[in-house]
This record gives sequence, structure tokens and C-alpha cells, in this order.
Amino acid sequence: EVQLVESGGGLVQPGGSLRLSCAASGFTVADNYMSWLRQAPGKGPEWVSVFYSGGVTSYADSVKGRFTISRDNSKNTIYLQMNSLRDDDSAIYYCARGDYFDHWGQGTRVTVSS
Amino acid sequence: DIQMTQSPSSLSASVGDRVTITCQASQDISYSVNWFQQKPGQAPKLLIYDASTLEKGVPSRFSGHGSGTDFTFTITSLQPEDFATYYCQHYDNLLRWTFGQGTKVEVK
Repeated sequence: EVQLVESGGGLVQPGGSLRLSCAASGFTVADNYMSWLRQAPGKGPEWVSVFYSGGVTSYADSVKGRFTISRDNSKNTIYLQMNSLRDDDSAIYYCARGDYFDHWGQGTRVTVSS
Repeated sequence: DIQMTQSPSSLSASVGDRVTITCQASQDISYSVNWFQQKPGQAPKLLIYDASTLEKGVPSRFSGHGSGTDFTFTITSLQPEDFATYYCQHYDNLLRWTFGQGTKVEVK
């Protein structure tokens, strides 16, 4: 059974950093596109970043230069390092599999506030 | 960047009704539109990919049509568990994904 479990969210001050993790089971992350998405309260989902097999990465303009996606094949886990966090980065962050996002995790909440 | 304009933003319907949601792309995107359902407190769920292909396990009352710039999503006979928010989504060949604004389907 495919499962994705996010962790690492929390409360952080503006300008601070957090690292999110997404542990996968039931499939191999190295063989798939793996993305991070986020959803602010009352808003629709927003794609944030993707790690493609082969090491290719891509980022939404809103996070480019501040966020970094990475992968640990030995742990079957992807990460999102978030630096220089702003108030508008507050959201539930999800990881999702593939280019169709056919499986999602349950999400981890990030709150940026002083 | 391609924009996805989804309408309506909300609609009221009754069990058994036919429901249709539209999504218009700002330029020709062929068939690269997916549709998701999201219930409160849950992650979005993929229902349809490549404009019209039903994801495994999704009931056949859900369908999608369209190509180019105009896409529709239909629920032929609304069931109680279908009250939710629905999103269209586009994926481009530059590894970027864009969602529509969403349509909340509410009880009439």
C-alpha cells in the first residue's frame, strides 16, 4: 500500500527556517516525480517544488531561492528545507507522488508568525 | 505562465442532480488537465487525469471532457459523499503545476 507521511511542521518566526520530511512506503521515491504542495487556510492547493528522478528539481517562483527540495534514497524520503520564511508561507504542506499527484500525505502545518 | 480559470466558484445542488464544472486555460494545453476532489480536513484526491481518464477506483458517475483550452468535469448523479470542493489542475512541460480556484459543491 502506498503511504506518504509528512513531518517537521510547526510554529516559526518570520525569517526562520524549517525542514519538512516526507517518508514514503509501498513504492520507491527514486523512481517517481515527488512534489511538495501547500494549501493556505481557505485557499486552493499551490504546487511548491518537485524532485524528478535524475536529480532535476523545479520550484514555484514564490519560493525560488528560499526553499530546497532533496531526497534520501536510503530512507525513501524527500525533504523540503525552507529558509527565510514569511507570513505568507503559512499553510499545510503536503507531499505527493508522480506528475498526476495520485497519492498525497496527510499534510504537516507550518505557521509563520511572530 | 498558463492560467486556469475555473467556474463557478460554488454551486448548490441536491442528491441525484447532474453537476458540471468548467475550467478554461489561457492557452492551448492539449489534454493536460487533471481533476481533484477535496473534503474538509483531507488532502486532495485525484479523480480524473489527462482530461478524461478515470483514476482507478473512482466511480463512473465522475467524468471529464475537453481539450485545447476548454474543459468540463461532470458528476452525473450527485451522491451525499460528493459534497466537496473540486479543483482542475494543469501540468506543463517545464515541470510546473497550476490549480484552478476551486468549486465548492454545497447542499441545496
